[in-house]
This record gives sequence, structure tokens and C-alpha cells, in this order.
Amino acid sequence: DVKVTQSSRYLVKRTGEKVFLECVQDMDHENMFWYRQDPGLGLRLIYFSYDVKMKEKGDIPEGYSVSREKKERFSLILESASTNQTSMYLCASSFSETYEQYFGPGTRLTVT
Amino acid sequence: AQSVSQHNHHVILSEAASLELGCNYSYGGTVNLFWYVQYPGQHLQLLLKYFSGDPLVKGIKGFEAEFIKSKFSFNLRKPSVQWSDTAEYFCAVFNDYKLSFGAGTTVTVRA
Repeated sequence: DVKVTQSSRYLVKRTGEKVFLECVQDMDHENMFWYRQDPGLGLRLIYFSYDVKMKEKGDIPEGYSVSREKKERFSLILESASTNQTSMYLCASSFSETYEQYFGPGTRLTVT
Repeated sequence: AQSVSQHNHHVILSEAASLELGCNYSYGGTVNLFWYVQYPGQHLQLLLKYFSGDPLVKGIKGFEAEFIKSKFSFNLRKPSVQWSDTAEYFCAVFNDYKLSFGAGTTVTVRA
């Protein structure tokens, strides 16, 4: 059974703080993804990665960066959190050949 | 960029009613299509997928979807819903190495 875990279910941070969201998958998937989920907007892709140390911008990368030092781990970084980054953040992973993505439980981030 | 439209924002049904959720996408080439479901308090999980072949695909929990290439559509159906089908449903299209999601449809089934 594929497992994607995220470091926190709920997180509250102050404006201007640096925020790290961690994601770990246990299925040796090549691809990993970070999305944010907002009501009425669905899921929007922030960044994704095909391989270790590789990253690609998604549709809304501004204000975010990522790091992938190991195959199983993909981190999302908010360099200076802002209130408009209050959202649900979802991590996902997949094999390259199948495209089917497996999602983690999400981290609900509130920036005050 | 790929866009995915889900026609209904919120659908309210009674148990045993039939459900159909519309999904249209903008890209005209080869696409891989998905429906995901998010039950209250749970993470997103795959309901069904279409890659090629028979355009009528069956998924888990009695759901099915029909791919109509000429209409750029991938509508989700279930003949008879249950209270446990209350959830948010997302259509997604894979193209250019990325999944693009619709805005989601919240389905509420009344007992």
C-alpha cells in the first residue's frame, strides 16, 4: 500500500516566518508534487520533481521553493510566509510510467 | 495551459438518486483522464482513470465515467448514490507531465 506522509496536519505561522513542509513517500516513486487546495479553485500545482535534485515550476510557484535531496523526500519552503499563503497543502507522488498520483493527508497552514 | 471545467459546484441528492458530474477539458491531443474523490476528513484518492481503449471506464464503489473525445468530456456517473458518497469530486487531466484539476464538485447525499 502506497504511503505518502506529510510532517504536520495543522500549522500556524506568523507573517514573515520561514516555513518548511515535508513530504515522504515509501514507494520509490520518481515523481513528487506539491499542490495547494483552495475552495472553488481545486488543486493548483506549485512545484514538481522528476528526480533527486531536479525541480520544475508548476502553475503558481511564486513565493515558494522546493528541495529534493533524497528520492523519498520532497520539501516545500515558504521563504517569507504571507497571509495569502494560508491554504491546504497537498503532496503527491507517482511512478513516471503510470501518471497516477498518490496523495498525502495534507497540511492545513494558517499564516497570521 | 490545460484547463479543466467542472460544471457543478455543489450537488445535493437523495439516496438512490442517480448522479452525473460533468467535466470538460481544453486540450485536443492525447490526454490521460482521472476522477479523484475526497471524503470528509480523508485524503484524495483515485476513483477511476482513462488512458486508452474502451471509453467507458469503471471505477471503485460503483462509479463509471465516459470519455467522449469529440466533446472533450469525461463525465462521472453513478446510477444510485448512497449517503457514504458524500464527498468532493475532482476531475483531472494529465498532459505535458502535469495533472490539471478542476475546481471540484461537492456532492451531498441526504439520507
